[in-house]
Amino acid sequence: KQEVTQIPAALSVPEGENLVLNCSFTDSAIYNLQWFRQDPGKGLTSLLLIQSSQREQTSGRLNASLDKSSGRSTLYIAASQPGDSATYLCAVSFMIKAAGNKLTFGGGTRVLVKP
Amino acid sequence: DAGVIQSPRHEVTEMGQEVTLRCKPISGHNSLFWYRQTMMRGLELLIYFNNNVPIDDSGMPEDRFSAKMPNASFSTLKIQPSEPRDSAVYFCASRPGQGRDQPQHFGDGTRLSIL
Repeated sequence: KQEVTQIPAALSVPEGENLVLNCSFTDSAIYNLQWFRQDPGKGLTSLLLIQSSQREQTSGRLNASLDKSSGRSTLYIAASQPGDSATYLCAVSFMIKAAGNKLTFGGGTRVLVKP
Repeated sequence: DAGVIQSPRHEVTEMGQEVTLRCKPISGHNSLFWYRQTMMRGLELLIYFNNNVPIDDSGMPEDRFSAKMPNASFSTLKIQPSEPRDSAVYFCASRPGQGRDQPQHFGDGTRLSIL
């Protein structure tokens, strides 16, 4: 069964510290992996999408890496700010036929950046 | 770009009542997804459409759930009759094209409470 796991479920850091968020998945045959941000009472905002053929993607202070062989992705947020406080979700598009166009989501990591 | 628009934002109703959730995707997007988010199960895909046609409804939990997309700018998710265990946040998302290499854009969700 294709599963996505995010550990820890919650994380608290002081402002200015770098954030490291982990995502693991059970099957290395994937189309892509996406990182989303969710603010309380809001929908998901796509942050980065990494194609299967890519090793990393960068956008501003955000950098996401992908290691298919080990089934892992890491989201780095440099010099964290209180505005980075949110829940971050990882989602994988698996390659098996049964998965279709489906995104399988991890449970998310709730981040609090303390000023 | 107005983003994905969902209505209502909140719905509280008694069990047994019919519930209809509405979604307007981003103009020009031809894939539409309905998700459900709960604390216990996280984010789950219920159904998705390509060019107004339902492609995969394997995530729809029971026959009480139905979804339609009568045209490219409108979709509904209906629950009849509703039960307390249907209480969740329901998200609609849309995506340009049918390929997996485009990120999905989410609405702010409908928070549904069945008493």
